[in-house]
Amino acid sequence: GDSVTQMEGPVTLSEEAFLTINCTYTATGYPSLFWYVQYPGEGLQLLLKATKADDKGSNKGFEATYRKETTSFHLEKGSVQVSDSAVYFCALIEGNYQLIWGAGTKLIIKP
Amino acid sequence: KAGVTQTPRYLIKTRGQQVTLSCSPISGHRSVSWYQQTPGQGLQFLFEYFSETQRNKGNFPGRFSGRQFSNSRSEMNVSTLELGDSALYLCASSSLDQNLVYEQYFGPGTRLTVT
Repeated sequence: GDSVTQMEGPVTLSEEAFLTINCTYTATGYPSLFWYVQYPGEGLQLLLKATKADDKGSNKGFEATYRKETTSFHLEKGSVQVSDSAVYFCALIEGNYQLIWGAGTKLIIKP
Repeated sequence: KAGVTQTPRYLIKTRGQQVTLSCSPISGHRSVSWYQQTPGQGLQFLFEYFSETQRNKGNFPGRFSGRQFSNSRSEMNVSTLELGDSALYLCASSSLDQNLVYEQYFGPGTRLTVT
């Protein structure tokens, strides 16, 4: 079945560092891909999405490109802030309305 | 537009009891999904409803059930609670975007503790 694999955390960076969180997926067809973010004590917020190959999703300085050839959707940000500290989830949806989730990557940004 | 609301936010129950959680979707959204989040298992899909019909169900025992009302509000019920049911239960409402992709918006969750 479909699955999503994320790099394990926590990822600890200094403020203004470059961020990459790796995400790869397995799917039988052509899924849509998402990144969600969860701040402490809160629900999940949609960060960005991409619906077809080579699409780039972007929001709040975060970007991710749908790479079908490598089945990847890595999250990047050029300069992280302390306020970006959260757990980031990669997910896909294909056909049956059910989001398939990665395990989540905790990001810690130190001032 | 108001976001997804879930009630109650926190709940403490005893083993063997049952519980009902409520979710009000974003106005105009007809699809509601439920997820369970635990530190050990991560995010797991429970079920999804659209126009009062369950369209998809995850791999949970029959003790977990749900329903959707004509106003799209949804409830989930867990009977005969077990310690392992302690989790954050998240509700998401969704609609089709311009690419006909279901974009899911989440509520803050209900934190259920079973003692």
